[in-house]
Amino acid sequence: SQKIEQNSEALNIQEGKTATLTCNYTNYSPAYLQWYRQDPGRGPVFLLLIRENEKEKRKERLKVTFDTTLKQSLFHITASQPADSATYLCALDPSRSGNTGKLIFGQGTTLQVKP
Amino acid sequence: NAGVMQNPRHLVRRRGQEARLRCSPMKGHSHVYWYRQLPEEGLKFMVYLQKENIIDESGMPKERFSAEFPKEGPSILRIQQVVRGDSAAYFCASSPPSGGFHEQYFGPGTRLTVT
Repeated sequence: SQKIEQNSEALNIQEGKTATLTCNYTNYSPAYLQWYRQDPGRGPVFLLLIRENEKEKRKERLKVTFDTTLKQSLFHITASQPADSATYLCALDPSRSGNTGKLIFGQGTTLQVKP
Repeated sequence: NAGVMQNPRHLVRRRGQEARLRCSPMKGHSHVYWYRQLPEEGLKFMVYLQKENIIDESGMPKERFSAEFPKEGPSILRIQQVVRGDSAAYFCASSPPSGGFHEQYFGPGTRLTVT
């Protein structure tokens, strides 16, 4: 069956450390993966998109990798801050073309950064 | 430039009543998506619409749920004869008309409570 999985356990780290979140998928061949941030009581906010032909993408303190062999994406936040505390969601378009508009989301991993 | 707007933000309905959720996409966006987030669960795709067209409704329950995006006015998600299991956060998202590899911009959500 098709699955997209994120670590359901909350990740607790100390301020200043690097947070690494994992997204694994099964029986999909996505053209890209997206990462979103969701704060309690709010809608998700887009962070980064990485295409299948890109190994790595960076945006300020954020870095995303995409390994189509392992069927995995890693999301890193360097020099983490308490303001980074939120739930992080990965998402993919289930079609090979990546053009259906339909996103399948993982359940999200909650990150807690302690001062 | 206003973001995606949803109203009402909170909606309480008794079992058997109808719920109407409204979504105004970002200016210039012609693609609208609806997602549902049940307590302790991830976001689930419901329907993808363009102006006056339903593109993909594969995530919509077969009965009681309908969606539209008229030529003028907001997109509407309509739930008839609500039941307790419909209690959830409903998020609308929009994307620009060029399609493909586009992130989705989410609204703040409507929290539906069925009593």
